[in-house]
Amino acid sequence: GAVVSQHPSRVICKSGTSVKIECRSLDFQATTMFWYRQFPKKSLMLMATSNEGSKATYEQGVEKDKFLINHASLTLSTLTVTSAHPEDSSFYICSARADEGKGYEQYFGPGTRLTVT
Amino acid sequence: QQPVQSPQAVILREGEDAVINCSSSKALYSVHWYRQKHGEAPVFLMILLKGGEQKGHEKISASFNEKKQQSSLYLTASQLSYSGTYFCGTERNAGGYQKVTFGIGTKLQVIP
Repeated sequence: GAVVSQHPSRVICKSGTSVKIECRSLDFQATTMFWYRQFPKKSLMLMATSNEGSKATYEQGVEKDKFLINHASLTLSTLTVTSAHPEDSSFYICSARADEGKGYEQYFGPGTRLTVT
Repeated sequence: QQPVQSPQAVILREGEDAVINCSSSKALYSVHWYRQKHGEAPVFLMILLKGGEQKGHEKISASFNEKKQQSSLYLTASQLSYSGTYFCGTERNAGGYQKVTFGIGTKLQVIP
């Protein structure tokens, strides 16, 4: 099966600093990667969709300048949380899809738990 | 735009059956089902691509009624390992790209 990795798995940072989270598809090329945020006991909230080589498409209410997404290659997307605040603390999960179009499954990474102190 | 799942939570004894429903107010291309265990990422179960399609995965199967914009996940003879939160994801075209939006989840607990 397709494998997606995320790094780091856990990160604690001070308020005002920036944190970068990497998402890699290990055994397939991901034309599309998605970034989700999940609060405890809540659903997955789509933050943005990124396609390799183009700008990410952000969901309504998600600040582009705060959550910088770069999809530099077909196997790597990064999410940078800039000037982090305690309310940014959450579980961030990426997923990757092998091809665009109808109905291709998403493979999720293991998630990154961010705690901002 | 978020699909509606029901029930929100269910407790089963081993061997019992359960049905989880997912409905959307928008026309759908497909429906995805995932299971998430506590502290872990969601794991893909299945995708239903066409109206009326049913798919199965061991003793877990699902149906998709495209006309009614609904999908149901059937768990038969439940096992302890089925415990977790089940999410349906509804896929539709959003401004030229495909997007999957997840429901709030159904927490399933299987007890001995």
